[in-house]
Amino acid sequence: QVQLQESGPGLVKPSETLSLTCAVSSYSISSGYYWGWIRQAPGKGLEWIGNVHHSGITYYNPSLKSRVTISVDTSKNQFSLKLTSVTAADTAVYYCARVIVGVTTAFDIWGQGTMVTVSS
Amino acid sequence: DIVMTQSPDSLAVSLGERATINCKSSQSVFYSSNNKNYFAWYQQKPGQPPKLLIYWASTRESGVPDRFSGSGSGTDFTLTISSLQAEDVAVYYCQQYYNTPLTFGGGTKVEIK
Repeated sequence: QVQLQESGPGLVKPSETLSLTCAVSSYSISSGYYWGWIRQAPGKGLEWIGNVHHSGITYYNPSLKSRVTISVDTSKNQFSLKLTSVTAADTAVYYCARVIVGVTTAFDIWGQGTMVTVSS
Repeated sequence: DIVMTQSPDSLAVSLGERATINCKSSQSVFYSSNNKNYFAWYQQKPGQPPKLLIYWASTRESGVPDRFSGSGSGTDFTLTISSLQAEDVAVYYCQQYYNTPLTFGGGTKVEIK
């Protein structure tokens, strides 16, 4: 079955760039679907970051848009998140997920999540 | 942004009893052109990612037990667990996908009484 796995540094310094990758297995990203990033601060709710299509089309949360870039690498069957100028408020578990249908709908398959702490 | 407000924040229900969670959106998430509510429910257990339970407000995701049901339209939605099981202890979130940014409710924690 389709599986997603996030990877990247667990600790990022303030003002630096957070970079994460989501590897997709048992499905070719080039075959379709949109893919997304969602985060969850400790003890808090869920916040949508943005979605990407294998063609490179992206949709971002306006609250993060100035700092976010989501890209796709079809040769590696993965997609990535970059968040610049991070602060402690960006400390969260970051999830990648598949959009069940369409461009920006619900997410049916999720990675296990990766905890990113912003601290010096 | 569409604000999603869940109630209650938490509830304790006896095993085998009904659990009801509500979610209200700050504007309608119903598209009359296709007669669909752009709305979903998720379940999240500790240390796990969210799991999609319901989408289009009432369509159960494959593999989800039929004790979970979603109802409502427009701005008011309900997730019902008809007979609470021990494995249903979790936090439940609603989400709208009527427009971006996609937004989630604050969550409702379900426990066993």
